[in-house]
Amino acid sequence: GAGVSQSPSNKVTEKGKDVELRCDPISGHTALYWYRQSLGQGLEFLIYFQGNSAPDKSGLPSDRFSAERTGGSVSTLTIQRTQQEDSAVYLCASSSGTSMETQYFGPGTRLLVL
Amino acid sequence: QKEVEQNSGPLSVPEGAIASLNCTYSDRVSQSFFWYRQYSGKSPELIMSIYSNGDKEDGRFTAQLNKASQYVSLLIRDSQPSDSATYLCAVNWDNYGQNFVFGPGTRLSVLP
Repeated sequence: GAGVSQSPSNKVTEKGKDVELRCDPISGHTALYWYRQSLGQGLEFLIYFQGNSAPDKSGLPSDRFSAERTGGSVSTLTIQRTQQEDSAVYLCASSSGTSMETQYFGPGTRLLVL
Repeated sequence: QKEVEQNSGPLSVPEGAIASLNCTYSDRVSQSFFWYRQYSGKSPELIMSIYSNGDKEDGRFTAQLNKASQYVSLLIRDSQPSDSATYLCAVNWDNYGQNFVFGPGTRLSVLP
C-alpha cells in the first residue's frame, strides 16, 4: 500500500500566522510520530500517538504547538503565531506500534517563516 | 535522560573501502536498535534493524550490537559514492514505541 504522506510539501508563511501540517500514516499503523529537523541538525522528537492512548507531548517546544489525531489515523500538527525559529522540516513517521517495528517516514513538510 | 551519541563526522572513505559508523547509548535497558540513512533534502529511510547481540548482515551492510558495552555499529563494505549520506542511529527503550531516540547522525562521504 501507500507509504506515509504529508501535506503540504512546502509552506511559506509570515511571522505570526498559524499553520497546519497534515500526516496520513500507513494504513493499519497504530503509532504516529512528529519530528522537527532544522537545517543540518538531527531529528527533534515532538509528539507521539499510540492508538487511543493519551499522546506523549513531552517534546513539544512551546504551547504554540499542538497536535491531534482523529480516528486513530490522520494527524494534524498546528503551530500558532509562527516564529522564524519554527522554520524547519517537519517529519511524520508511523509504525505498527511495537518496539520491534521500525518507523516509516513521510517526505516531510518544509516550513519557512518569513 | 536517555541519550544516543554519534560522531557527527564527516567521515570520509575512498570508494571500495569499508566505512565504520559507531553509536553509543546511555541506558542498558534497551529493546531495539535501528540504522537509518538520510540523503540531503530527503527523509530518513531504514537500512538495518538489530535486536540481539552479535552481527546481522544484509548485502553490503552489517550491523553489530554489543549490549554490555552499549554500542551499535554499522559497517558498509565496498563503499560507493551513492552511500554518501547522513546515517542516523536510533534506539527504542520500551515495548510501546514512545521511548524512541535518534542520535544526531554521522555524515559519510565516499570519495570516488
